Amino acid sequence: KAGVTQTPRYLIKTRGQQVTLSCSPISGHRSVSWYQQTPGQGLQFLFEYFSETQRNKGNFPGRFSGRQFSNSRSEMNVSTLELGDSALYLCASSAQVSGYYNEQFFGPGTRLTVL
Amino acid sequence: AQSVSQHNHHVILSEAASLELGCNYSYGGTVNLFWYVQYPGQHLQLLLKYFSGDPLVKGIKGFEAEFIKSKFSFNLRKPSVQWSDTAEYFCAVNARNYGSSNTGKLIFGQGTTLQVKP
Repeated sequence: KAGVTQTPRYLIKTRGQQVTLSCSPISGHRSVSWYQQTPGQGLQFLFEYFSETQRNKGNFPGRFSGRQFSNSRSEMNVSTLELGDSALYLCASSAQVSGYYNEQFFGPGTRLTVL
Repeated sequence: AQSVSQHNHHVILSEAASLELGCNYSYGGTVNLFWYVQYPGQHLQLLLKYFSGDPLVKGIKGFEAEFIKSKFSFNLRKPSVQWSDTAEYFCAVNARNYGSSNTGKLIFGQGTTLQVKP
């Protein structure tokens, strides 16, 4: 099985712009979670999507949003970029059998640099 | 709020030395516990996991971890490290609430950078 893929791998944007990141989960996985990784804050949960519905959300401002499509692919969007949004954005997928937790498999991440 | 604390931020060992990385979490309910590893230039990989049952779990590459419920701890161990174990290690917790919205949310510790000298 192919692993979790994320595109693009690297992005450079300027303050005030918006950006969309894409994640393709492992085939058959219905849950996609997003995380932000920075040297200062570590790995922080952004949100999770399951069957096209946002099921959980972390403590990030409304500028961070996401969605999931019927094929389980997910996108996250950050509007009005700030310098502090520079980070590695990780996507993880899980089979998420109902009522039971399955481990998350991570993609390589998208490195976003905001200038 | 749930939180995870990793005691060691940077550990330097010589090859063949024994390793123990501490992890404590704060959450009063039932949890799933994980250790992930991030080798230089690679993505996060699962080392081992605990859902229930035997509190001593074995993972890949000779790693093991022990869940001590009374201490809210899940420490990672390896009897003899190798140079190839040089990486960053993350402890993570998922609050197990069946039917709730917590199922896809992992809380990570700050990570421990392990440097193994040949």
